[in-house]
Amino acid sequence: NAGVTQTPKFQVLKTGQSMTLQCAQDMNHNSMYWYRQDPGMGLRLIYYSASEGTTDKGEVPNGYNVSRLNKREFSLRLESAAPSQTSVYFCASTSGGSYNEQFFGPGTRLTVL
Amino acid sequence: QKEVEQDPGPLSVPEGAIVSLNCTYSNSAFQYFMWYRQYSRKGPELLMYTYSSGNKEDGRFTAQVDKSSKYISLFIRDSQPSDSATYLCAMRGGNSKLTFGKGITLSVRP
Repeated sequence: NAGVTQTPKFQVLKTGQSMTLQCAQDMNHNSMYWYRQDPGMGLRLIYYSASEGTTDKGEVPNGYNVSRLNKREFSLRLESAAPSQTSVYFCASTSGGSYNEQFFGPGTRLTVL
Repeated sequence: QKEVEQDPGPLSVPEGAIVSLNCTYSNSAFQYFMWYRQYSRKGPELLMYTYSSGNKEDGRFTAQVDKSSKYISLFIRDSQPSDSATYLCAMRGGNSKLTFGKGITLSVRP
């Protein structure tokens, strides 16, 4: 049982390049989330998917797109990377419940030059 | 004003100290309150959770919620070097989204 996995672990991009961050969970969870974490800013929600087939914007969606490919997988795409998107990206999933405990992946460290 | 405010830190304490971590919030709809712990270069993990006002104890950790003051706390007794991590408060109301504090980095010196 791997939990939440993310690929890649590290990535360096040049301004204007595109890339897709992959996330998969094997816990049969309905909801999945993408966050970015920056020093002094905490965790900020980019997009989330409450269930397979649905996606919604979070706090900071500009410059990103997402795809809920199936129940297991939720990808985040940067179409034209900018230095402001340099960050650590975390994917999380939850089965719901009162506390909505979110299980996080190990993160992707992205640098945009 | 952000919905959730957390002391920015960092915080450094000697081993064995009692640590108090705090968050305040503005949204009266929040009912579920959590603390996540994040070790360096890892994802956050749920540490404790409480519903509405009151205290909850788990070993050396106590989570406290005061809804009338919109204030939550996490106390760590007999702190250990292994407690060195970033602690994030999180809370939610009626939807599935969590709102996180910015996190505070705690260092426990041997």
